[in-house]
Amino acid sequence: EAGVTQFPSHSVIEKGQTVTLRCDPISGHDNLYWYRRVMGKEIKFLLHFVKESKQDESGMPNNRFLAERTGGTYSTLKVQPAELEDSGVYFCASSQDRVTTAIYEQYFGPGTRLTVT
Amino acid sequence: AQSVSQHNHHVILSEAASLELGCNYSYGGTVNLFWYVQYPGQHLQLLLKYFSGDPLVKGIKGFEAEFIKSKFSFNLRKPSVQWSDTAEYFCAVIISSNTGKLIFGQGTTLQVKP
Repeated sequence: EAGVTQFPSHSVIEKGQTVTLRCDPISGHDNLYWYRRVMGKEIKFLLHFVKESKQDESGMPNNRFLAERTGGTYSTLKVQPAELEDSGVYFCASSQDRVTTAIYEQYFGPGTRLTVT
Repeated sequence: AQSVSQHNHHVILSEAASLELGCNYSYGGTVNLFWYVQYPGQHLQLLLKYFSGDPLVKGIKGFEAEFIKSKFSFNLRKPSVQWSDTAEYFCAVIISSNTGKLIFGQGTTLQVKP
Protein backbone atom coordinates (compact mmCIF):
# COMPACT_ATOMS: atom_id res chain seq x y z
CA GLU A 1 0.00 0.00 0.00
CA ALA A 2 1.43 3.35 -1.01
CA GLY A 3 1.81 5.91 1.72
CA VAL A 4 0.97 9.59 1.75
CA THR A 5 2.98 11.45 -0.85
CA GLN A 6 3.73 15.13 -1.15
CA PHE A 7 5.11 17.24 -3.94
CA PRO A 8 7.45 19.03 -4.16
CA SER A 9 9.80 17.93 -1.42
CA HIS A 10 11.40 21.34 -1.35
CA SER A 11 10.42 24.71 -2.78
CA VAL A 12 12.32 27.97 -2.70
CA ILE A 13 10.40 31.05 -3.82
CA GLU A 14 10.67 34.78 -3.45
CA LYS A 15 8.38 36.86 -1.31
CA GLY A 16 5.28 37.78 -3.28
CA GLN A 17 5.33 34.70 -5.48
CA THR A 18 2.79 31.89 -5.49
CA VAL A 19 3.43 28.29 -4.54
CA THR A 20 1.17 25.27 -4.72
CA LEU A 21 1.81 22.22 -2.61
CA ARG A 22 0.23 18.89 -3.38
CA CYS A 23 -0.71 15.96 -1.20
CA ASP A 24 -1.87 12.52 -2.29
CA PRO A 25 -3.40 10.62 0.64
CA ILE A 26 -3.52 6.89 1.08
CA SER A 27 -6.14 5.48 -1.26
CA GLY A 28 -9.52 5.20 0.42
CA HIS A 29 -8.74 7.61 3.22
CA ASP A 30 -11.56 10.12 3.51
CA ASN A 31 -9.79 12.35 6.00
CA LEU A 32 -6.97 14.60 4.88
CA TYR A 33 -5.12 17.01 7.12
CA TRP A 34 -2.60 19.76 6.54
CA TYR A 35 -0.11 20.76 9.23
CA ARG A 36 2.80 23.17 9.29
CA ARG A 37 5.97 23.40 11.30
CA VAL A 38 7.71 26.72 11.40
CA MET A 39 11.35 26.43 12.44
CA GLY A 40 11.76 26.10 16.16
CA LYS A 41 8.06 25.76 16.80
CA GLU A 42 5.62 22.93 17.20
CA ILE A 43 3.72 21.26 14.37
CA LYS A 44 0.44 23.12 13.98
CA PHE A 45 -2.83 22.06 12.43
CA LEU A 46 -4.00 24.00 9.40
CA LEU A 47 -7.13 22.27 8.17
CA HIS A 48 -9.05 19.04 7.78
CA PHE A 49 -10.96 17.69 4.78
CA VAL A 50 -13.53 14.95 4.86
CA LYS A 51 -13.65 13.83 1.26
CA GLU A 52 -13.95 17.10 -0.66
CA SER A 53 -15.46 19.15 2.17
CA LYS A 54 -13.55 21.36 4.58
CA GLN A 55 -14.44 20.05 8.01
CA ASP A 56 -12.24 22.35 10.05
CA GLU A 57 -10.10 25.19 8.73
CA SER A 58 -9.54 26.90 12.06
CA GLY A 59 -5.78 26.68 11.74
CA MET A 60 -5.42 28.47 8.42
CA PRO A 61 -3.23 31.52 9.11
CA ASN A 62 -4.95 33.99 6.79
CA ASN A 63 -6.63 34.34 3.42
CA ARG A 64 -3.35 34.01 1.55
CA PHE A 65 -3.72 30.27 2.06
CA LEU A 66 -6.19 28.33 -0.05
CA ALA A 67 -6.70 24.59 0.23
CA GLU A 68 -8.72 22.44 -2.11
CA ARG A 69 -9.54 18.80 -2.47
CA THR A 70 -11.41 18.39 -5.68
CA GLY A 71 -13.10 15.02 -6.06
CA GLY A 72 -12.06 13.99 -2.60
CA THR A 73 -8.73 12.58 -3.72
CA TYR A 74 -5.55 14.66 -3.73
CA SER A 75 -5.36 18.06 -2.12
CA THR A 76 -3.52 21.26 -2.94
CA LEU A 77 -2.46 24.07 -0.66
CA LYS A 78 -1.76 27.35 -2.40
CA VAL A 79 0.03 30.25 -0.80
CA GLN A 80 -0.49 33.52 -2.65
CA PRO A 81 1.35 35.81 -2.22
CA ALA A 82 3.98 34.14 -0.09
CA GLU A 83 5.52 36.00 2.83
CA LEU A 84 8.73 35.32 4.71
CA GLU A 85 6.86 33.94 7.73
CA ASP A 86 5.30 31.23 5.56
CA SER A 87 8.61 29.37 5.49
CA GLY A 88 8.46 26.01 7.17
CA VAL A 89 7.66 22.37 6.58
CA TYR A 90 4.14 21.57 5.43
CA PHE A 91 2.92 18.12 6.32
CA CYS A 92 -0.05 16.28 4.98
CA ALA A 93 -1.69 13.35 6.75
CA SER A 94 -4.60 11.08 6.05
CA SER A 95 -6.79 8.71 8.00
CA GLN A 96 -9.68 6.40 7.36
CA ASP A 97 -13.38 6.74 8.07
CA ARG A 98 -15.01 8.61 10.92
CA VAL A 99 -17.03 5.73 12.33
CA THR A 100 -14.28 4.14 14.32
CA THR A 101 -11.15 5.31 16.07
CA ALA A 102 -9.42 4.82 12.75
CA ILE A 103 -10.03 8.51 12.19
CA TYR A 104 -7.47 9.17 14.85
CA GLU A 105 -4.66 7.16 13.29
CA GLN A 106 -3.11 9.60 10.91
CA TYR A 107 -0.42 8.64 8.42
CA PHE A 108 1.94 11.41 7.50
CA GLY A 109 3.66 12.30 4.29
CA PRO A 110 7.33 13.31 4.09
CA GLY A 111 6.50 17.02 4.10
CA THR A 112 7.29 19.90 1.78
CA ARG A 113 9.98 22.28 2.94
CA LEU A 114 9.02 25.78 1.81
CA THR A 115 11.58 28.54 1.91
CA VAL A 116 10.45 32.08 1.15
CA THR A 117 13.31 34.52 0.52
CA ALA B 1 -6.50 26.95 24.54
CA GLN B 2 -5.51 23.33 24.63
CA SER B 3 -1.78 22.72 24.52
CA VAL B 4 0.85 20.02 24.86
CA SER B 5 4.13 20.54 26.63
CA GLN B 6 7.23 18.39 26.24
CA HIS B 7 9.70 18.91 29.03
CA ASN B 8 12.95 18.42 27.19
CA HIS B 9 13.91 19.88 23.84
CA HIS B 10 17.16 18.00 23.45
CA VAL B 11 18.27 14.81 25.18
CA ILE B 12 21.62 13.10 24.80
CA LEU B 13 22.07 9.55 26.07
CA SER B 14 24.57 6.75 25.72
CA GLU B 15 23.49 3.42 24.33
CA ALA B 16 21.81 1.16 26.90
CA ALA B 17 20.73 4.12 29.03
CA SER B 18 17.09 4.37 30.04
CA LEU B 19 14.87 6.98 28.46
CA GLU B 20 11.94 8.94 29.77
CA LEU B 21 10.48 11.85 27.83
CA GLY B 22 7.92 13.94 29.59
CA CYS B 23 4.64 15.11 28.08
CA ASN B 24 1.83 17.05 29.69
CA TYR B 25 -1.35 18.34 28.12
CA SER B 26 -3.85 20.95 29.19
CA TYR B 27 -7.41 19.79 28.69
CA GLY B 28 -9.86 18.56 31.28
CA GLY B 29 -11.95 16.31 29.07
CA THR B 30 -11.40 13.03 27.29
CA VAL B 31 -8.28 12.88 25.17
CA ASN B 32 -6.61 10.48 22.81
CA LEU B 33 -2.84 10.49 23.19
CA PHE B 34 -0.05 9.76 20.78
CA TRP B 35 3.68 9.66 20.43
CA TYR B 36 5.10 10.14 16.96
CA VAL B 37 8.71 9.74 15.92
CA GLN B 38 10.63 11.21 13.01
CA TYR B 39 13.88 9.45 12.20
CA PRO B 40 16.46 11.42 10.22
CA GLY B 41 15.34 11.76 6.62
CA GLN B 42 12.07 9.97 7.20
CA HIS B 43 8.49 11.04 7.75
CA LEU B 44 6.53 11.10 10.98
CA GLN B 45 5.55 7.65 12.18
CA LEU B 46 3.17 6.60 14.91
CA LEU B 47 5.09 5.13 17.84
CA LEU B 48 2.16 4.35 20.11
CA LYS B 49 -1.30 5.55 21.04
CA TYR B 50 -3.71 5.57 23.93
CA PHE B 51 -7.48 5.72 23.48
CA SER B 52 -8.85 3.98 26.55
CA GLY B 53 -8.32 1.00 28.83
CA ASP B 54 -4.97 0.02 30.29
CA PRO B 55 -3.07 3.27 30.87
CA LEU B 56 0.24 1.56 30.14
CA VAL B 57 0.55 1.19 26.40
CA LYS B 58 3.25 -0.52 24.44
CA GLY B 59 4.40 0.61 21.04
CA ILE B 60 6.89 -0.38 18.44
CA LYS B 61 10.61 -0.88 19.03
CA GLY B 62 10.30 -1.46 22.76
CA PHE B 63 8.75 1.89 23.62
CA GLU B 64 5.97 2.28 26.13
CA ALA B 65 4.02 5.17 27.61
CA GLU B 66 1.92 5.63 30.69
CA PHE B 67 -1.20 7.77 30.83
CA ILE B 68 -1.68 9.34 34.25
CA LYS B 69 -4.97 11.17 34.12
CA SER B 70 -4.54 12.96 37.45
CA LYS B 71 -1.27 14.45 36.24
CA PHE B 72 -2.40 15.13 32.66
CA SER B 73 0.72 13.29 31.58
CA PHE B 74 1.70 10.74 28.95
CA ASN B 75 5.41 10.09 29.38
CA LEU B 76 7.35 7.96 26.93
CA ARG B 77 9.81 5.37 28.21
CA LYS B 78 12.30 2.85 26.94
CA PRO B 79 14.48 0.78 29.30
CA SER B 80 17.53 0.66 27.05
CA VAL B 81 18.03 2.94 24.06
CA GLN B 82 19.95 2.10 20.92
CA TRP B 83 21.83 4.31 18.51
CA SER B 84 19.01 3.73 16.02
CA ASP B 85 16.59 5.50 18.38
CA THR B 86 18.21 8.81 17.47
CA ALA B 87 15.25 10.84 16.21
CA GLU B 88 12.81 13.58 17.08
CA TYR B 89 9.86 12.55 19.24
CA PHE B 90 6.52 14.31 19.34
CA CYS B 91 3.77 13.99 21.86
CA ALA B 92 0.30 14.82 20.54
CA VAL B 93 -3.32 14.75 21.63
CA ILE B 94 -6.70 14.62 19.97
CA ILE B 95 -9.59 16.01 21.94
CA SER B 96 -12.45 13.60 21.43
CA SER B 97 -15.02 16.26 20.68
CA ASN B 98 -12.80 17.45 17.87
CA THR B 99 -12.47 16.37 14.27
CA GLY B 100 -9.26 14.44 14.73
CA LYS B 101 -7.04 17.50 14.76
CA LEU B 102 -3.70 16.65 16.38
CA ILE B 103 -2.26 19.13 18.87
CA PHE B 104 1.49 18.62 19.06
CA GLY B 105 4.13 19.36 21.61
CA GLN B 106 7.31 21.13 20.60
CA GLY B 107 9.21 17.92 19.99
CA THR B 108 12.22 16.40 21.71
CA THR B 109 15.36 15.59 19.81
CA LEU B 110 17.01 12.45 21.14
CA GLN B 111 20.64 11.81 20.32
CA VAL B 112 22.00 8.41 21.31
CA LYS B 113 25.76 8.09 21.39
CA PRO B 114 27.17 4.70 20.38
